[in-house]
Amino acid sequence: EAQVTQNPRYLITVTGKKLTVTCSQNMNHEYMSWYRQDPGLGLRQIYYSMNVEVTDKGDVPEGYKVSRKEKRNFPLILESPSPNQTSLYFCASSSTGFWEYFGPGTRLLVL
Amino acid sequence: GENVEQHPSTLSVQEGDSAVIKCTYSDSASNYFPWYKQELGKGPQLIIDIRSNVGEKKDQRIAVTLNKTAKHFSLHITETQPEDSAVYFCAATSYNYGQNFVFGPGTRLSVLP
Repeated sequence: EAQVTQNPRYLITVTGKKLTVTCSQNMNHEYMSWYRQDPGLGLRQIYYSMNVEVTDKGDVPEGYKVSRKEKRNFPLILESPSPNQTSLYFCASSSTGFWEYFGPGTRLLVL
Repeated sequence: GENVEQHPSTLSVQEGDSAVIKCTYSDSASNYFPWYKQELGKGPQLIIDIRSNVGEKKDQRIAVTLNKTAKHFSLHITETQPEDSAVYFCAATSYNYGQNFVFGPGTRLSVLP
């Protein structure tokens, strides 16, 4: 079954404690992306990747890092989380760059 | 840059009635317009999309119309069913930078039995 998986699904952390949210897809897609979803704002792109070792900033990249060392994985790293990064995060993948598949989401609370 | 507005923010309809959600965009270079359905606790699911070279596209009970002159596009759901209840998002982008979607803020649709 074609799918995008994210872990963890729920995470509570404290300000400044580094964390990583993993994303994996089993469709051999070149394109992957991270979005955050906040009430009334829709989805906003954080970073995207067009292939292994190729990444670029989206609209709200501040405070986030990504890496793409393998085609199937695209982890999102928050090196020093702050309360304004409390949000619902989605990973997406695509063979074309037009986002067809989204993961189930990771709900993050930063205290 | 692109800006996408979406209306209404909430919509309640009786089962069997039609629902219409409208989006407007600002960048005339945008030429790809997808719609997503997000059910509670799940990620967005692509349900239909339209490209600028067509004015309408249908898939069973859902359809999307596009008016490039007015820069708006709409999602139409006919014969609504309770399982249509969800949050719907529109988005806009250009083929040249397809990965940089701009999403609307979403519409919460409730279908009342």
